[in-house]
Amino acid sequence: EVQLVESGGGLVEPGGSLRLSCAASGFTFSSYSIHWVRQAPGKGLLWVSRINTDGTTPYYADSVKGRFTISRDNAKNTLYLQMNSLTAEDTAVYYCVRGTFDMWGRGTMVTVSS
Amino acid sequence: DVVMTQSPLSLPVTLGQPASISCRSSQSLVYSDGNTYLSWFQQRPGQSPRRLIYKVSNRDSGVPDRFSGSGSGTDFTLKITRVEAEDVGIYYCMQGAHWPPWTFGQGTKVEIK
Repeated sequence: EVQLVESGGGLVEPGGSLRLSCAASGFTFSSYSIHWVRQAPGKGLLWVSRINTDGTTPYYADSVKGRFTISRDNAKNTLYLQMNSLTAEDTAVYYCVRGTFDMWGRGTMVTVSS
Repeated sequence: DVVMTQSPLSLPVTLGQPASISCRSSQSLVYSDGNTYLSWFQQRPGQSPRRLIYKVSNRDSGVPDRFSGSGSGTDFTLKITRVEAEDVGIYYCMQGAHWPPWTFGQGTKVEIK
């Protein structure tokens, strides 16, 4: 089955860190750029980050630049998002999304609260 | 950044009746390759978003033909010919012509009257 499965979400205190993972299966992971998109509770969709096929070119939304790092391991078919200096505004469901936005994972919830 | 503006933000519809959602971009979405990168997504309650339409008018596999996309330049429309109960949810447009960032509209909530 073709799918993306996120993990690593949870409750973290302000200023803390978290690493999200996204496991891909059913397609040639290394052939696709991959995005992270987030959705705060009751809010719309916000693009967060994107990485190209070989992991050499990351892009970030201004709101996360300098705090988040996207990476991938094509041998493990896995995408990562290292999130540092988290604030309450980062509270959201984080979706892993295939390059042309044609496939979305189920998301993982990140809650930043003391 | 390209700003995507949807209207209306709330759309009550009678079952079996048509529905139409507008999406306007702050810049033309025609890319250097000649394609126009405007997509539509459906998010049903409690579910992940799902792409319905890409490059203005191309339906994704499995999307019912009651959904159609049209438009050009900065002005786009998603139409549902006859709304069914399963169409309830929030619909988003997104541009992929001027990136980063990829930007979404605010979303339009479709509900049954």
